[in-house]
Amino acid sequence: DAMVIQNPRYQVTQFGKPVTLSCSQTLNHNVMYWYQQKSSQAPKLLFHYYDKDFNNEADTPDNFQSRRPNTSFCFLDIRSPGLGDAAMYLCATSRVGWDRAQFFGPGTRLTVL
Amino acid sequence: GQQLNQSPQSMFIQEGEDVSMNCTSSSIFNTWLWYKQDPGEGPVLLIALYKAGELTSNGRLTAQFGITRKDSFLNISASIPSDVGIYFCAGQGRNSGGGADGLTFGKGTHLIIQP
Repeated sequence: DAMVIQNPRYQVTQFGKPVTLSCSQTLNHNVMYWYQQKSSQAPKLLFHYYDKDFNNEADTPDNFQSRRPNTSFCFLDIRSPGLGDAAMYLCATSRVGWDRAQFFGPGTRLTVL
Repeated sequence: GQQLNQSPQSMFIQEGEDVSMNCTSSSIFNTWLWYKQDPGEGPVLLIALYKAGELTSNGRLTAQFGITRKDSFLNISASIPSDVGIYFCAGQGRNSGGGADGLTFGKGTHLIIQP
């Protein structure tokens, strides 16, 4: 089945220690998104890639970076995690134009010690 | 920025009852989406709406894209225990820049089914 895969499902890191979260898709969608979801809140968009073009949200901290080496993979890098970065990180993909609904992966729960 | 007002915040119902929730916005959206999220999981797409006035069903779920493009509702008929969870509406604006837009989410409706 075509899907969005996130690894790992749970990640524990130390304060200030860089961490990378991974997302892959078998849907062959042009666009890949990263959202942050804190406890009891709605997901919040961090940035997205449309093919190789990177689009950052104005209020996304510089601490968050992303890479998309090919159509299937996208990475979220947190350079120096703080306690406030503990959250669920969700990857989503979509087409553009007609039928542009976004499909989410299962998420990675990040804990910062 | 764009904001979505989703209501109710929570619903306590009995199995078999019908459920209705809605979202309103101060801005126009070109796409309305409804998701269900279980604890510790990612949102699962329930219904996608692409045209103003569109009414779409998915099993016991029915959703509509408001004529003004500023609102949408989701109805669930004859609720069952597995309907428990958090339901989010999400709006997507016009394509801009790179041709894709992220979603603006409502704050969610927590559905609880009482035995």
